Amino acid sequence: EIVLTQSPATLSLSPGERATLSCRASQSVYTYVAWYQQKPGQAPRLLIYDASNRATGIPARFSGSGSGTDFTLVISSLEPEDFAVYYCQQRKSLLTFGGGTKVEIK
Amino acid sequence: VQLVESGGGLVQPGGALRLSCAASGFTFGNYWMNWVRQAPGKGLEWVANVKPDSSEKFYVDAVRGRFTISRDNARNSLYLQMNSLRADDTAVYYCARDDGRSLRFSYFDSWGQGTLVTVAS
Repeated sequence: EIVLTQSPATLSLSPGERATLSCRASQSVYTYVAWYQQKPGQAPRLLIYDASNRATGIPARFSGSGSGTDFTLVISSLEPEDFAVYYCQQRKSLLTFGGGTKVEIK
Repeated sequence: VQLVESGGGLVQPGGALRLSCAASGFTFGNYWMNWVRQAPGKGLEWVANVKPDSSEKFYVDAVRGRFTISRDNARNSLYLQMNSLRADDTAVYYCARDDGRSLRFSYFDSWGQGTLVTVAS
């Protein structure tokens, strides 16, 4: 099983700041990584697929990068609606998710 | 695209439950479909998926042999039969559509609102 480790567990930032979230895979997953946003009481929403492609309707302030075992999600300037939990997911071997990073208001 | 889950509830350990997901707004029979769960206060866990023609099904190790995924394309519906339920199966279960690239394993571009399954005595 491919394990995804997300860091940090919690990120405390203010609106307007830049958020950098990390996802590390236990083995290479090429660029087969997606990122999701989940707000309390809601289903997840797909943000990024195949490491760097924004899903339909996702603002340009969200960007993804990486390949192999190390991946990054950057939110260039946090809007109030961006405070949420973010999960990475791989599709190279079955389907697994990381444990999540909570982006909270400082 | 709309996905609406139903069938959740309280069940005793060792019991069974069948979840349903009603799909609308897209051609259901063209997509791989998935179940993803989330234990209270925890992260996401993919549970199972099924190919559009039902010829392939895959499961996470934790549920293989106890859960069965199925679909009825004529009824635009996805199902999850859950047997021998355990306390650690307690979770919100989401129905999720894959992204339409016809890959065995892919990403989830549409989700239902989820249905809560609680396994407790």
